[in-house]
Amino acid sequence: EAQVTQNPRYLITVTGKKLTVTCSQNMNHEYMSWYRQDPGLGLRQIYYSMNVEVTDKGDVPEGYKVSRKEKRNFPLILESPSPNQTSLYFCASSLTVLGNQPQHFGDGTRLSIL
Amino acid sequence: DAKTTQPPSMDCAEGRAANLPCNHSTISGNEYVYWYRQIHSQGPQYIIHGLKNNETNEMASLIITEDRKSSTLILPHATLRDTAVYYCIVKDNNNDMRFGAGTRLTVKP
Repeated sequence: EAQVTQNPRYLITVTGKKLTVTCSQNMNHEYMSWYRQDPGLGLRQIYYSMNVEVTDKGDVPEGYKVSRKEKRNFPLILESPSPNQTSLYFCASSLTVLGNQPQHFGDGTRLSIL
Repeated sequence: DAKTTQPPSMDCAEGRAANLPCNHSTISGNEYVYWYRQIHSQGPQYIIHGLKNNETNEMASLIITEDRKSSTLILPHATLRDTAVYYCIVKDNNNDMRFGAGTRLTVKP
């Protein structure tokens, strides 16, 4: 089944403890991205990647890192998490960077930073 | 990307058609109209997209006006499981999805 898989689905952790949220897609998609969703602010893009070894900042990249060493994986790294990064995170992918390709989203990761 | 305007909420009776409007008066010629929905806190689900022609798939129909300044998503026979927030997005080839507040559709028995 074609899907975008995020792990973990839920995580409660403490300020400053490095964490990684993994994202994997099995559709051979070139484009992948990360969003966060906060009440009243909607979905905002954190980082995106147009292909392997190509990443770029979205609207809210501060405090996050990403890597794209393989086509299928696009992990989101919080080197030193802070409470303002408590949020619901979504990974998405699409076949190519072209605008007429829909993005497919994962089921989300709910992070709580205490 | 062009901005979109959607009503914050709508109700629909179960079994009836749900017509969700979207205004995108500043849309440019190479921008597509996309519709997604989000059920509770699940990941946004792609519904349909189009450029200028009307489109239909197994989930919905998309009607785009001739001047492309507005569109309507039609769920032909709404069910309780269609209760969700529906997002209308216009985007071009830079593939940057910008989600607004969307329309909260409530399907009532």
